[in-house]
Amino acid sequence: EHLSESGGGLAQPGGSLRLSCAASGFTFSNFGMHWVRQAPGKGLEWVSGIRGSGTDTYYADSVTGRFAISRDNSKNTVYLQMNSLRVEDTAVYYCARRLWFGEGDWFDPWGQGTQVIVSS
Amino acid sequence: SSELTQDPTVSVALGQTVRMTCQGDSLRRYHATWYQQRPGQAPVVVSDGRERRPSGIPDRFSGSRSGDTASLTITGTQAEDEADYYCHSRDRSGQKWVFGGGTKLTVL
Repeated sequence: EHLSESGGGLAQPGGSLRLSCAASGFTFSNFGMHWVRQAPGKGLEWVSGIRGSGTDTYYADSVTGRFAISRDNSKNTVYLQMNSLRVEDTAVYYCARRLWFGEGDWFDPWGQGTQVIVSS
Repeated sequence: SSELTQDPTVSVALGQTVRMTCQGDSLRRYHATWYQQRPGQAPVVVSDGRERRPSGIPDRFSGSRSGDTASLTITGTQAEDEADYYCHSRDRSGQKWVFGGGTKLTVL
């Protein structure tokens, strides 16, 4: 079970980036997938999630209306389209698989992360 | 601000027991997961949403919950346990996920 992010880089404020996360080693369509970010020297912040079927998406208030999560189950890949980027979006972005049992859920595994820097 | 509150720093002597806590209203309904994160690495689950240890996690780690507070206890703390620890659950709406601010554990 492995996740690998790509697509990070340098973007200007107001610009766009598209992150990808390729999955392997499990039945991708059976699991929700999430993005979590970590700004330099800061804690973890949940960003967005999507159901295995792709029918439902979820967003943190800080990115609602600017970011869009999607997935292609034929390619075992989840995406995060980031528009109207702000300096405060600078962070390492991780993708993770959601597991659950009853009223408990957790993210495992995680990818290695991809760095996004928003700067002029 | 996070809906899950953790102490920013905790210290423990080598070989002793330490308990880290995570407080939030949503924990009255939802279980918490605990992650360990070492510098430059991705987070790793040490206690999952069933309060179980994943394969490969030492049995000195244990998670629990009471009321609105979840706890991660390390019994017989080792030097390699020095890391940041984050709790994680859903918010009160159940439609968003949240992390605590993290606890930096120092092993003396």
